[in-house]
Amino acid sequence: DGGITQSPKYLFRKEGQNVTLSCEQNLNHDAMYWYRQDPGQGLRLIYYSQIVNDFQKGDIAEGYSVSREKKESFPLTVTSAQKNPTAFYLCASSVGQGDNQPQHFGDGTRLSIL
Amino acid sequence: KQEVTQIPAALSVPEGENLVLNCSFTDSAIYNLQWFRQDPGKGLTSLLLIQSSQREQTSGRLNASLDKSSGRSTLYIAASQPGDSATYLCAVSSDSWGKLQFGAGTQVVVTP
Repeated sequence: DGGITQSPKYLFRKEGQNVTLSCEQNLNHDAMYWYRQDPGQGLRLIYYSQIVNDFQKGDIAEGYSVSREKKESFPLTVTSAQKNPTAFYLCASSVGQGDNQPQHFGDGTRLSIL
Repeated sequence: KQEVTQIPAALSVPEGENLVLNCSFTDSAIYNLQWFRQDPGKGLTSLLLIQSSQREQTSGRLNASLDKSSGRSTLYIAASQPGDSATYLCAVSSDSWGKLQFGAGTQVVVTP
């Protein structure tokens, strides 16, 4: 079955540490997205990518970095500069620009501070 | 900047009743509007997508309407079931790049 796989499901970060969240899709989608969800709030866009080797900042990119070296993969690094990283992180994909197709989501990674 | 609001934040109905969920947005220049379902601790499942040129979309017991001029969308779920208990999120895309602005969601409980 095609879909989006996020790993790990739970992740703990120590002070001053960078951590990387994995997102892999086998839907052959061009576009991929990272969102952050805090309790009682909607999702907020961190980064998005419309094509391999290209990505753009979303609304809350500070303290995060991404790469898009392969079409299938869009890893997110939460750096030590992100002072409040505790949240639920969701990765999504869609066919591509102008597709007017729904976004497909993974099951998320929950990040906590040790 | 586009802002998306969902009221109420929580809703409880007895099984069999119709559900009416509301979504409002501040900028009527949208590309599409999407409704999602989220179960606790899980990702989002797409329910319906309404393109800016459309007035409504239907899938089974679900019907979503769109009124761009008033900045509103409504999701109707007919004959609710306990399995419909979840959080429902509305999201608006303002351009073709797929960037979504989300509401905070409405948490629905359907009691047997």
